[in-house]
Amino acid sequence: AQKVTQAQTEISVVEKEDVTLDCVYETRDTTYYLFWYKQPPSGELVFLIRRNSFDEQNEISGRYSWNFQKSTSSFNFTITASQVVDSAVYFCALIFTGGGNKLTFGTGTQLKVEL
Amino acid sequence: GAGVSQTPSNKVTEKGKYVELRCDPISGHTALYWYRQSLGQGPEFLIYFQGTGAADDSGLPNDRFFAVRPEGSVSTLKIQRTERGDSAVYLCASSLEASGGPLYNEQFFGPGTRLTVL
Repeated sequence: AQKVTQAQTEISVVEKEDVTLDCVYETRDTTYYLFWYKQPPSGELVFLIRRNSFDEQNEISGRYSWNFQKSTSSFNFTITASQVVDSAVYFCALIFTGGGNKLTFGTGTQLKVEL
Repeated sequence: GAGVSQTPSNKVTEKGKYVELRCDPISGHTALYWYRQSLGQGPEFLIYFQGTGAADDSGLPNDRFFAVRPEGSVSTLKIQRTERGDSAVYLCASSLEASGGPLYNEQFFGPGTRLTVL
């Protein structure tokens, strides 16, 4: 079975702090894709990144960075110098190639960035 | 261009009633997906269409739920004899296409329809 676990339900930080959101996944497939989505209070899911299982290279995009480690089945997301606008629920998700193109989501981490 | 749109944005109904939720995908997108998001949870897959046909409906919880996409564009999710447990946000997404192979196409999500069953 495929499963995505986000153990952190809620995180609160003060603006400009760095914060890491954890994601652990389970799949028996060797080919799969991992994602992070942001869901601001407006409710619309915003795509942030996807990673395929053959590419363990870490990625940085502005203040965002992602650390993918197959050995620990983790795909963690770090926001550097957090801002109030980063406040949202963040979802990690998985697509495995044997399951069509449907996303399996974790339960999400609510990030609150305060002044 | 226009993104995925969903109507209505909010729907309040009484237990036992029938509801229809509409999704208008991005023009040219052949794949369309429905997810359901309960409070405090991540979205859960319901069904997806490739063109007019349902390619995978394994996520539909029971036979009270049905979805159609007759012309390969707009889709309607239909729920019969609604129950209080059906209350959730119903999200629609579309992508250029869908494939069971290693190719991936990004899913663009709509704003959702919040369904409340009293």
